[in-house]
Amino acid sequence: DIVMTQSPDSLAVSLGERATINCKSSQSVLHTSNNKNYLAWYQQKPGQPPKLLIYWASTRESGVPDRFSGSGSGTDFTLTISSLQAEDVAVYYCHQYYSGVWTFGQGTKVEVK
Amino acid sequence: QVQLQQWGAGLLKPSETLSLTCAVYGGSLSGYYWSWIRQPPGKGLEWIGEINDGGSTDYNPSLKSRVTISLDTSKNQFSLDLSSVTAADTAVYYCARVTRVLEWVTPFDYWGQGTLVTVSS
Repeated sequence: DIVMTQSPDSLAVSLGERATINCKSSQSVLHTSNNKNYLAWYQQKPGQPPKLLIYWASTRESGVPDRFSGSGSGTDFTLTISSLQAEDVAVYYCHQYYSGVWTFGQGTKVEVK
Repeated sequence: QVQLQQWGAGLLKPSETLSLTCAVYGGSLSGYYWSWIRQPPGKGLEWIGEINDGGSTDYNPSLKSRVTISLDTSKNQFSLDLSSVTAADTAVYYCARVTRVLEWVTPFDYWGQGTLVTVSS
């Protein structure tokens, strides 16, 4: 199975400041046939299911604010919240859908400083 | 607007079978893959398996011997059975949709509300 490792496990950011979450996969999730990275990001608030934010590593899901952006390729990826809002407090997960067994990172908890 | 609504027993004894159902509203089962994912309390997410609209399944090898995912197209529903449960199967279980056309995939874009299943004697 592909192991997804996120860093940090938690971070506290002031409102309006940038939050950056990293995700590293144990093997490349770049599909050479279509040059797409099979990497998604989810946001999960307490008591709610995860919400898809980004897929193909950098494509925002419809309705997701543009302060959320994804970048990276191969094995190293980043989710950036450009200006943290109070409603962004949540746990964020990266997810690879490249291999047969889909796996998730352990999660990064984002809080307001 | 697509909605997934799930239900099933929330308290089981060890060795019993977990059974959950997920109904799809505002859309069809056709053309999509339908998955189950679980999350132990305070922990991360684990993919359990999926079924496509033709009934073909794929399971996480770690659970494969105990899992069955099935489809009821007449009711626009799909179901999860997990046999011989133990305390380690205590988790919130989610159903979710995947869009997949050849190598083009949009993962888990719609989710059920989640069902907490507790296994305790």
